[in-house]
Amino acid sequence: EAGVAQSPRYKIIEKRQSVAFWCNPISGHATLYWYQQILGQGPKLLIQFQNNGVVDDSQLPKDRFSAERLKGVDSTLKIQPAKLEDSAVYLCASSLRNTEAFFGQGTRLTVV
Amino acid sequence: AQSVSQHNHHVILSEAASLELGCNYSYGGTVNLFWYVQYPGQHLQLLLKYFSGDPLVKGIKGFEAEFIKSKFSFNLRKPSVQWSDTAEYFCAVSNQAGTALIFGKGTTLSVSS
Repeated sequence: EAGVAQSPRYKIIEKRQSVAFWCNPISGHATLYWYQQILGQGPKLLIQFQNNGVVDDSQLPKDRFSAERLKGVDSTLKIQPAKLEDSAVYLCASSLRNTEAFFGQGTRLTVV
Repeated sequence: AQSVSQHNHHVILSEAASLELGCNYSYGGTVNLFWYVQYPGQHLQLLLKYFSGDPLVKGIKGFEAEFIKSKFSFNLRKPSVQWSDTAEYFCAVSNQAGTALIFGKGTTLSVSS
């Protein structure tokens, strides 16, 4: 079974630039999550999708972050404009409803 | 709001020593509980999970965890660690309505051979 695919693996941008991350979940998984993991901390939920609808985006900084999941499969997460404090690993995960989440390798973002 | 506390930030053990990592959660309802592991350079992987039933759950690689409802705890144990257990360990909780996982800050385990 293929896992959760994310790209790119690494990204370095200057502050105020924009960046986008892509995620392809495990086939058949209706629930998709984006997490932010800052060095030394546990993953923090940014947004949860159920199919192509948003279930929880209460912790998404909506002035600069956006996410979409068109057609209920792939998802993109965008940051515009980036700040230094956005440097983190961005994790995508997927699950069947009310089961464990499966994580991708993550995208390590460095904002300079 | 749900929260998860992991008591140990960094644990250093010698091979064959026993391991116990503490995890407490704050949530009044019925929860699902998880331990995830992240080996160096790899993605987060599920070690074990508790949804209901026997509060002592066994996971992969000889790990087990015990759910103690009265203490809001879900501690991870292994009787004899190996060098290959060096990794970061995360406790996580969700509720049974299917909310997203809430993670603790993680515990780094270093095992010397």
